[in-house]
Amino acid sequence: NAGVTQTPKFRVLKTGQSMTLLCAQDMNHEYMYWYRQDPGMGLRLIHYSVGEGTTAKGEVPDGYNVSRLKKQNFLLGLESAAPSQTSVYFCASSFKGYGYTFGSGTRLTVV
Amino acid sequence: DQQVKQNSPSLSVQEGRISILNCDYTNSMFDYFLWYKKYPAEGPTFLISISSIKDKNEDGRFTVFLNKSAKHLSLHIVPSQPGDSAVYFCAASAPNTGNQFYFGTGTSLTVIP
Repeated sequence: NAGVTQTPKFRVLKTGQSMTLLCAQDMNHEYMYWYRQDPGMGLRLIHYSVGEGTTAKGEVPDGYNVSRLKKQNFLLGLESAAPSQTSVYFCASSFKGYGYTFGSGTRLTVV
Repeated sequence: DQQVKQNSPSLSVQEGRISILNCDYTNSMFDYFLWYKKYPAEGPTFLISISSIKDKNEDGRFTVFLNKSAKHLSLHIVPSQPGDSAVYFCAASAPNTGNQFYFGTGTSLTVIP
């Protein structure tokens, strides 16, 4: 039982490049989330999804897009990476009304 | 605007003593609160929760207290152990918000053997 799996674990991008972070969960959770963690800022919600085919903006959505084509997967895309997007990205999933199960994170550096 | 605040970035405690981690929130609609523990290079893991209908919840060495009038919650760890050394985040959610949780900035706890 893997829980929440994030790929890749590390990535270095050049400014302007694009990439997609993949999150997969095997717990049949309806809800999925993408957070970023920055020093002194805690965890901030980028986008979230309350079910297959649905997405919504969180606190810091600018510069990111997401898709939830399958219930078990939640993709986070960066169309044109900027140094301000250097961060650690965490995916999480949950049932409604319960706490999250987090993935182990993706460390992204944009140079 | 930070809706959940942890004003102590770090805390050091002797092994066997009590650790008290504090968290304040501004949104009176928050009704469900969680504490997460995070080790370096790992994702946060769930520790304990409390609903706004309660003022205390206990799980082994961990107790969370909620003071709704003060918009304050605290996590007590007794006795503290070196393995408890980690970053602790509190988080809060309001009803009908897609189960969104707002996180504090974290408190780094060091338990000294």
